Amino acid sequence: QKEVEQDPGPLSVPEGAIVSLNCTYSNSAFQYFMWYRQYSRKGPELLMYTYSSGNKEDGSFTAQVDKSSKYISLFIRDSQPSDSATYLCAMSAAGNKLTFGGGTRVLVKP
Amino acid sequence: NAGVTQTPKFRILKIGQSMTLQCTQDMNHNYMYWYRQDPGMGLKLIYYSVGAGITDKGEVPNGYNVSRSTTEDFPLRLELAAPSQTSVYFCASASGEISYNEQFFGPGTRLTVL
Repeated sequence: QKEVEQDPGPLSVPEGAIVSLNCTYSNSAFQYFMWYRQYSRKGPELLMYTYSSGNKEDGSFTAQVDKSSKYISLFIRDSQPSDSATYLCAMSAAGNKLTFGGGTRVLVKP
Repeated sequence: NAGVTQTPKFRILKIGQSMTLQCTQDMNHNYMYWYRQDPGMGLKLIYYSVGAGITDKGEVPNGYNVSRSTTEDFPLRLELAAPSQTSVYFCASASGEISYNEQFFGPGTRLTVL
């Protein structure tokens, strides 16, 4: 069993829809939770991070962490074609090393 | 700032050849990392460094070597290339000064071993 599980997709949605992404994990020591966005043939870039359980909102993005269920989510509201990318969840116990999920490919159609 | 730069962008190697992937960062970051990314498999940590002269193995270090003689540079050496090392390699750096230690990634090197 992988330490971090993420559905690979692809997830295809129409423009303006809400995109819902999630990851599950098995290591209860994880306390830093991140979402990276990766455009095709580019390196990943940090989108959002959350410490421990709770919600965080940043523009059209909302990140949620439920440590009791070992489940994290990312929601993209009013999705645009420019949101088409692969979204990687990443987690860390102490901040120095990250464990990544496999990534979910998202396609927002105009 | 150029951020994290990687060379070469692409490379084709024959089985048994060796090569060095170069990585340089100009953000004065202490932490540097090497990952490989296979299709649908996310990023796997190969080696990392917390400062000049200090390196440690990640999840998949076999077949690779690293060195860190300066803060800026973190080259990855492949000895005796094998088809299983066909992948996209990403270098990343982080300051280590904030709790979640945001990692900044380079553009990647696409390596094919035939």
